[in-house]
Amino acid sequence: KAGVTQTPRYLIKTRGQQVTLSCSPISGHRSVSWYQQTPGQGLQFLFEYFSETQRNKGNFPGRFSGRQFSNSRSEMNVSTLELGDSALYLCASSQSTGFSYEQYFGPGTRLTVT
Amino acid sequence: DAKTTQPPSMDCAEGRAANLPCNHSTISGNEYVYWYRQIHSQGPQYIIHGLKNNETNEMASLIITEDRKSSTLILPHATLRDTAVYYCIVLIATGTASKLTFGTGTRLQVTL
Repeated sequence: KAGVTQTPRYLIKTRGQQVTLSCSPISGHRSVSWYQQTPGQGLQFLFEYFSETQRNKGNFPGRFSGRQFSNSRSEMNVSTLELGDSALYLCASSQSTGFSYEQYFGPGTRLTVT
Repeated sequence: DAKTTQPPSMDCAEGRAANLPCNHSTISGNEYVYWYRQIHSQGPQYIIHGLKNNETNEMASLIITEDRKSSTLILPHATLRDTAVYYCIVLIATGTASKLTFGTGTRLQVTL
């Protein structure tokens, strides 16, 4: 079974621009979560989508948004990029939502904002 | 979610058992203990989880103390490929949330 895929793997953007990252979950998985990883803050939860609905949200500004499509693929968007948004963005999928379902992570998209 | 405390780093010789401790003294009755690891430059990988009984799978064993205030992840025969940051996470059993709250983890270095 193919794992979680994320595109693009690397991205360089300029401050003030916007960016869209894509995540394709494992086949049959309906929940997709997004995380941000930086050296200073570590791994932080952004949001979770299940059946095209946002189920849970972390403590990030409104510039960070996401959506999920009917085939469970998900995108996250960051508008008005800031230097501090430079990070590894990780997507994880699970069969369903809830504590008992382990999450499978993709390789991440490394975003650099200059 | 309950807070966890892990040592920042540990070393282990290849072939020996790696025992990674985690303190979660404020854990409540409906919180599970999860372990994930992150090998350099990769996404985190699920290892194992448990509530109060000890658990074992093909990757590791999880030993949870009777009072549930601490746990130990055991990699029975560590290899160089087990070098990674190991995260202990406690997760409330809401049934509706898949949010993982990662701490700083333990950096395990397996050496020859």
